[in-house]
Amino acid sequence: DAGVTQSPTHLIKTRGQHVTLRCSPISGHKSVSWYQQVLGQGPQFIFQYYEKEERGRGNFPDRFSARQFPNYSSELNVNALLLGDSALYLCASSFLSRMNTEAFFGQGTRLTVV
Amino acid sequence: AQSVTQLDSHVSVSEGTPVLLRCNYSSSYSPSLFWYVQHPNKGLQLLLKYTSAATLVKGINGFEAEFKKSETSFHLTKPSAHMSDAAEYFCVVSDVERDDKIIFGKGTRLHILP
Repeated sequence: DAGVTQSPTHLIKTRGQHVTLRCSPISGHKSVSWYQQVLGQGPQFIFQYYEKEERGRGNFPDRFSARQFPNYSSELNVNALLLGDSALYLCASSFLSRMNTEAFFGQGTRLTVV
Repeated sequence: AQSVTQLDSHVSVSEGTPVLLRCNYSSSYSPSLFWYVQHPNKGLQLLLKYTSAATLVKGINGFEAEFKKSETSFHLTKPSAHMSDAAEYFCVVSDVERDDKIIFGKGTRLHILP
């Protein structure tokens, strides 16, 4: 069985550009969450989606947005990229909507902004 | 507001000796607590979770953690370290009643000495 898959695995962008990251959850999971992990820090919560609706949002600027599709896959979009957006972006899926249930993480997308 | 503090950024132990990774939390309500492990170039994996059942929680790979409400702690232990335990470990807190977003600690890097 496939786990959580994220694409691309690595990405280099220039300041001011836009980026879209993609995530496919484990089959049967309806909840997808996004996290940003800056080097040397723990992951920080960005968004959670359940059944295509936003269920939670972390302290990130409006440049960050996300959506969930009918097949439960998800996209994270970041506009007007800053150098500080360079990080590992993690996607996690879970069966239930409650954020205190076990989440299964993908290997992440390493974004470098130059 | 909830928060989590991992008291050591790095811990080094010899193979075969006990492991102790310390975590303190702050939560207004009944917390759910988790430990996740992150091996290099791999996704986060759940080690164990506490959700108001038994205070001593057993996880995978011989790890366990004890929830101590009076000390607001959730330390991770293992009786005998193995070389494969070398990784980054994250303590995570979430408020059950408020169904709030989950908060990661900054992580503890565990080094295993031969």
